Amino acid sequence: RKEVEQDPGPFNVPEGATVAFNCTYSNSASQSFFWYRQDCRKEPKLLMSVYSSGNEDGRFTAQLNRASQYISLLIRDSKLSDSATYLCVVISPPYGQNFVFGPGTRLSVLP
Amino acid sequence: EPEVTQTPSHQVTQMGQEVILRCVPISNHLYFYWYRQILGQKVEFLVSFYNNEISEKSEIFDDQFSVERPDGSNFTLKIRSTKLEDSAMYFCASNGQGTYGYTFGSGTRLTVV
Repeated sequence: RKEVEQDPGPFNVPEGATVAFNCTYSNSASQSFFWYRQDCRKEPKLLMSVYSSGNEDGRFTAQLNRASQYISLLIRDSKLSDSATYLCVVISPPYGQNFVFGPGTRLSVLP
Repeated sequence: EPEVTQTPSHQVTQMGQEVILRCVPISNHLYFYWYRQILGQKVEFLVSFYNNEISEKSEIFDDQFSVERPDGSNFTLKIRSTKLEDSAMYFCASNGQGTYGYTFGSGTRLTVV
């Protein structure tokens, strides 16, 4: 079983749509969780950390369910500039502080 | 905003040659990392470095790979004898003590021919 799995995508949505990404992780001892975005052939950039209580940053909402080992990202009122690959990232043993990346879900927001 | 800088942005090398990828982490960061991403695949951890030594490494990071912090600013990844399958984007990252958010450099695209 893969450590971090995500919706296979791609997601093609119209501008203004709400889109949700799902991520599951296999290691119950995982410590910290993040969403990164990666534009084509660019470096990953931190979008937001994911807290147990859930957190929101503008149009973006992240949720964590430790019991189900599940993370989600909701994007409301999507913009053309949201088009990217969204990476679920987990800090899991045995790598200590090191990130384990999911395979990513590609989003295309269409005009 | 502080940046992690990587050079070169693109390197083409012949199979069997040695390459050195260079990174300048953010100046007050203490933890340094190399990741790679083969085209179309996920980002994979290679190695972490703290206090002038390797703290963890993955199965990918075999004897062909080495890292070094030769001075107070640079952090290098050396691939001793490149193979075709080493072709990938190599990302350097750093973070400061007590912070979880990694900052990634813009990457070096390595093409082995």
